[in-house]
Amino acid sequence: DVVMTQSPLSLPVTLGQPASISCRSSQSLVYSDGNTYLNWFQQRPGQSPRRLIYKVSNRDSGVPDRFSGSGSGTDFTLKISRVEAEDVGVYYCLQGTHWPWTFGQGTRVEIK
Amino acid sequence: ELQLVESGGGLVQPGGSLRLSCVASGFTFSSYWMSWVRQAPGKGLEWVANIKQDGSDKYYVGSVKGRFTISRDNAKNSLFLQMSTLRAEDTAVYYCARGGRRDDYNGDYWGQGTLVTVSS
Repeated sequence: DVVMTQSPLSLPVTLGQPASISCRSSQSLVYSDGNTYLNWFQQRPGQSPRRLIYKVSNRDSGVPDRFSGSGSGTDFTLKISRVEAEDVGVYYCLQGTHWPWTFGQGTRVEIK
Repeated sequence: ELQLVESGGGLVQPGGSLRLSCVASGFTFSSYWMSWVRQAPGKGLEWVANIKQDGSDKYYVGSVKGRFTISRDNAKNSLFLQMSTLRAEDTAVYYCARGGRRDDYNGDYWGQGTLVTVSS
């Protein structure tokens, strides 16, 4: 199975400051159709996961533009340009290229 | 409004069985792959199984293969997960999610989850 490794696992951030989460895969996530199936999810305390980004850099409808995704191959990043209080939660990357789909361990974002 | 509502969770003894259901509304259920994803208490997410629009293709993570069966009833906009020979490590919140293939819809909507506890 593809192993997804996130860092850091805990991320204390000051309100209004940027935050960055790394996600690395144990093999390339480029599929034979040329697409890279790497998604990002946010899970707020007590809630279900919510998809933020699909195929590396496409923001879902209703997701604030302070969230952005980038990367290629095996190395991906989720950035929050200015952290707000509602961004507190755990963030997961998911690879959907190689079955079984696998998630990273999660990165907990908290306010300093 | 798009909704996914799971039910069927509960307490079951090791070795027992349970059937989870997910009712979909607000979109054309029969047009999408569908999936089950679980989360053990205080832990991360694990993609468990997915099923093609017409039910002809199904995929399972290795830890549940041969014990869990995913199915769907498009006439009733419903997704199911039949779980048997349950183990303590199957204890988790089980989420129904839209999607499950390499497309733009993989995991774009989730239900609120249903808790399965395997314990004697």
